Order: sequence, then structure tokens, then C-alpha cells
Amino acid sequence: DARVTQTPRHKVTEMGQEVTMRCQPILGHNTVFWYRQTMMQGLELLAYFRNRAPLDDSGMPKDRFSAEMPDATLATLKIQPSEPRDSAVYFCASGLWQGFTWYGYTFGSGTRLTVV
Amino acid sequence: ILNVEQSPQSLHVQEGDSTNFTCSFPSSNFYALHWYRWETAKSPEALFVMTLNGDEKKKGRISATLNTKEGYSYLYIKGSQPEDSATYLCAFKRSNDYKLSFGAGTTVTVRA
Repeated sequence: DARVTQTPRHKVTEMGQEVTMRCQPILGHNTVFWYRQTMMQGLELLAYFRNRAPLDDSGMPKDRFSAEMPDATLATLKIQPSEPRDSAVYFCASGLWQGFTWYGYTFGSGTRLTVV
Repeated sequence: ILNVEQSPQSLHVQEGDSTNFTCSFPSSNFYALHWYRWETAKSPEALFVMTLNGDEKKKGRISATLNTKEGYSYLYIKGSQPEDSATYLCAFKRSNDYKLSFGAGTTVTVRA
């Protein structure tokens, strides 16, 4: 089965440090999404890309978060500087549009981030 | 922000009993309604993608219906088993948007 691969699976870091999370979407998928799982809001959309172009990052705190897609096989989410309130599970998902047909998302296993 | 609401927030079911729960979503600009099953410490797993009004989908003992005119979908679990315990998420996709808007989920706990 094709999978979305996220690394690392777990990350513990000190407040103020830079954190980079990586996602390898399913080969051929042309949309990539970053979500954060929070207790209060469930799955919160942070940013997403279509054909590597950022379409919407309004869900991210711009001063410390950045999302990029340097090539079709890699998406990154960076937090600098990290804060304890950033502790959460971050999910990447990739999806496919073909013509006018939407084939849905597949989620990665998530990165559990703990900022102490 | 799109209003996708799921109810109830949680429910407890006796093993062998059947249950159902609701997802409501905006009825305008509808494109698709997704259901996901999300077990603790795992990633959400796609159950159904529904696009047509009146659609019914089935996967084993789990089935779903869709009413796009009134903006709701039901998920049914027949003869619940402990392995059905999970959070069930619905997600709405508009016709002019690439992203999904998720509900907060219904957490199902099946008691043996």
C-alpha cells in the first residue's frame, strides 16, 4: 500500500529551539496538507500545497511557523522558535486531483512534538 | 471556517448492539463528504468518500448515508465489536476548495 511517510515520529525539544518536521507524500499526489491535532480543536489545518505551490497557510502562526515544499517528494514544517504551546501531534496528508475527480486524502502517522 | 458538526461527541455501546451518529455540514457548494476512522495513537484511516445525494456506502458492518440537500450524513455500526472503538471523523469538501474541513469527531467505546 502507498503511504505518506512522516519523520521524526517523536520529537522532544527545549523551548526556543528550531524544529523541522518532514513529510514524503504518496508518489503522484499533487496536494499536500499539514494538520495539527489539538484537544480543543481536533484536526486544525495549518497549511496546504497544490502542485508544490502554497495555497493557504492562514492557519499557521506566521511569526514562528513556516511550511515549504522544496520538491514533489518532500514537504517541511518548521517552527522557530518553538514554544511549549506548540506541543501536539502534527499530521501530513496527501491527496490527488485528476481532471475534475478528487480521490481523497491519505494521512501520515504523525509527528508527536513535545516542547519543554 | 466551515461549520462541520458531529453528534454526539462520544457514546458507549454494548458489544453486539448497533449504533449511529450524525455529521452535519453546509449544504451549499457541496463536493464531497468523507468519513475517517481514527484509533488512538494512529493516523486517520479513510472509510468512505461520498459525493452524491442519497449515496449509501458500506464496508463490512459500517455503513453511511448522505443527504446533501439538508446537509447531513449518518454513520451506522451494526453489531458493534470492541475493535470498532475509535473516533469517527467526518470531513466536508466544498466544490471550490482543495481542503477538507473536519468535524470534532464522535468517539465510540464498545464495552465487552
